Amino acid sequence: DAKTTQPPSMDCAEGRAANLPCNHSTISGNEYVYWYRQIHSQGPQYIIHGLKNNETNEMASLIITEDRKSSTLILPHATLRDTAVYYCIVAYNNNDMRFGAGTRLTVKP
Amino acid sequence: EAQVTQNPRYLITVTGKKLTVTCSQNMNHEYMSWYRQDPGLGLRQIYYSMNVEVTDKGDVPEGYKVSRKEKRNFPLILESPSPNQTSLYFCASSSLLEMSETQYFGPGTRLLVL
Repeated sequence: DAKTTQPPSMDCAEGRAANLPCNHSTISGNEYVYWYRQIHSQGPQYIIHGLKNNETNEMASLIITEDRKSSTLILPHATLRDTAVYYCIVAYNNNDMRFGAGTRLTVKP
Repeated sequence: EAQVTQNPRYLITVTGKKLTVTCSQNMNHEYMSWYRQDPGLGLRQIYYSMNVEVTDKGDVPEGYKVSRKEKRNFPLILESPSPNQTSLYFCASSSLLEMSETQYFGPGTRLLVL
């Protein structure tokens, strides 16, 4: 029971920003929003996480709405190597994480 | 280099033949866990460990055992494997310094049980 809703697939042109949406309308006050990605069948890779404020790191930006019921992961300049399945997860901590089906992002030349 | 390693990466075995998949991390992490990934079902947690000698069941523990005798190692044991345990397995670790610590995943072990 993943607690989040993501589109099953998205396309993005190389060099453009990729905006991946996630709905989490039942999120609790102290649950974080995490984003991981999985390239082919490799181990999932952490991207970013946040609680209430927007966050940015060297990989991506995370925009969380004020009511915290949805968020958007932004890859500012997508490359072919960003083609992967992206998982949006809502959890108190690592033990509470449930990976859903994610969004399959395809970056096209 | 900080990493989680798993061995073997690929394994073909037969029903009932005991096997162990090893997992080791070099980051001095307290928390370690095992997941399996199956088409259409996503990643599901099998077992986890909060520290040495402390283990607990995840969502799908049936048919699996684990041990945590040392902080760096967290082996997954299949005492009598069955075909429905054919899957892709991932080990992960994280620090417990903060509640929101991220997990580091290993490269995966692909298991086929005939």
